[in-house]
Amino acid sequence: DTAVSQTPKYLVTQMGNDKSIKCEQNLGHDTMYWYKQDSKKFLKIMFSYNNKELIINETVPNRFSPKSPDKAHLNLHINSLELGDSAVYFCASSSRTVQAFFGQGTRLTVV
Amino acid sequence: KQEVTQIPAALSVPEGENLVLNCSFTDSAIYNLQWFRQDPGKGLTSLLLIQSSQREQTSGRLNASLDKSSGRSTLYIAASQPGDSATYLCAGPLNDYKLSFGAGTTVTVRA
Repeated sequence: DTAVSQTPKYLVTQMGNDKSIKCEQNLGHDTMYWYKQDSKKFLKIMFSYNNKELIINETVPNRFSPKSPDKAHLNLHINSLELGDSAVYFCASSSRTVQAFFGQGTRLTVV
Repeated sequence: KQEVTQIPAALSVPEGENLVLNCSFTDSAIYNLQWFRQDPGKGLTSLLLIQSSQREQTSGRLNASLDKSSGRSTLYIAASQPGDSATYLCAGPLNDYKLSFGAGTTVTVRA
């Protein structure tokens, strides 16, 4: 049983396109996150949601729009993709006093 | 704002040697301290979680200590094995909603 699953694992697309990444957790956690890992491997938070409510939006461009239809899902939609958006995007979940669990990542390549 | 620093950035040791990985953080009001492992091209695997009220946690060959007053955490890996080769990340969140990561220490254990 995968605790945090995200799809797709790989995404190659052209500049200007719109794409979505989906994330689901089956741990019953109430907080979910999107992180971006750049080419230097540094992990930076993009968004966090608690009980479907946006808590943190870390100065991410408006082209990125997260959506949480319920506590178990947090999707990321990206409009007008740019070359600089190429990175690995990680979804994660956690709950109070419980360690965070990460998905396997989505490697986005914009060409 | 929480700044997390990991030293050294890379470490190469012969098999059997003990590993010492350091993590420092600027804000002692951390909620907890988590250590993760990341294998190349993979997601993050949680290794240990130390609550702010705790001083250390142990799991098998792994032991992590936390000293909030000095803003430091140390991960010890006893009797290293080639399978321990990976990047180790620490995260020291100030609250439930944002894990602040260090840049990681990349470990190579030589057989």
